[in-house]
Amino acid sequence: NAGVTQTPKFQVLKTGQSMTLQCAQDMNHNSMYWYRQDPGMGLRLIYYSASEGTTDKGEVPNGYNVSRLNKREFSLRLESAAPSQTSVYFCASSGLASGELFFGEGSRLTVL
Amino acid sequence: KQEVTQIPAALSVPEGENLVLNCSFTDSAIYNLQWFRQDPGKGLTSLLLIQSSQREQTSGRLNASLDKSSGRSTLYIAASQPGDSATYLCGSGGSNYKLTFGKGTLLTVNP
Repeated sequence: NAGVTQTPKFQVLKTGQSMTLQCAQDMNHNSMYWYRQDPGMGLRLIYYSASEGTTDKGEVPNGYNVSRLNKREFSLRLESAAPSQTSVYFCASSGLASGELFFGEGSRLTVL
Repeated sequence: KQEVTQIPAALSVPEGENLVLNCSFTDSAIYNLQWFRQDPGKGLTSLLLIQSSQREQTSGRLNASLDKSSGRSTLYIAASQPGDSATYLCGSGGSNYKLTFGKGTLLTVNP
């Protein structure tokens, strides 16, 4: 019963490096989301995908790109990492029926 | 822009006490409201989801209410236990079920 799976769980980058966070869900959900969680700031939406083939910006999209590869997978890419992107990143998904969001365990990223 | 506030930021209670966590939101045009639990270093676990047409939802010792007109939701925890210690987050659901979150209430239940 996997639910929402994120990889990697931990990553350390140097400023200017790039990386992709992967997310996959096995609940046949239409919508997927990327959030970041920072102390004192709470959870903020980076990008979301309401359905396969569509993506839209959230509250804090600058410095990020996303790809909805298929219905199951939604990736988040940092093209040139900055220390301000040090955070915990959460992927979530929801179905059309209830809109209930289910979250992954998070990816902890440190940019030096 | 929706803003969500959770009060108190932290709460410490003795085991067995009944308690209420509060969540307020500025835009009453919400699709749903969801309560989560987050343990240190972990992801968010969904506790209760209230649709905009509903007034409350119950699961075991947990009861969540929603009053859209006043922009408030409460999470009631009955007979609290040390295992209930965690951060509790509420999220208000907008279009495409995007959630706007409060900063959470850190609950400590003392044995």
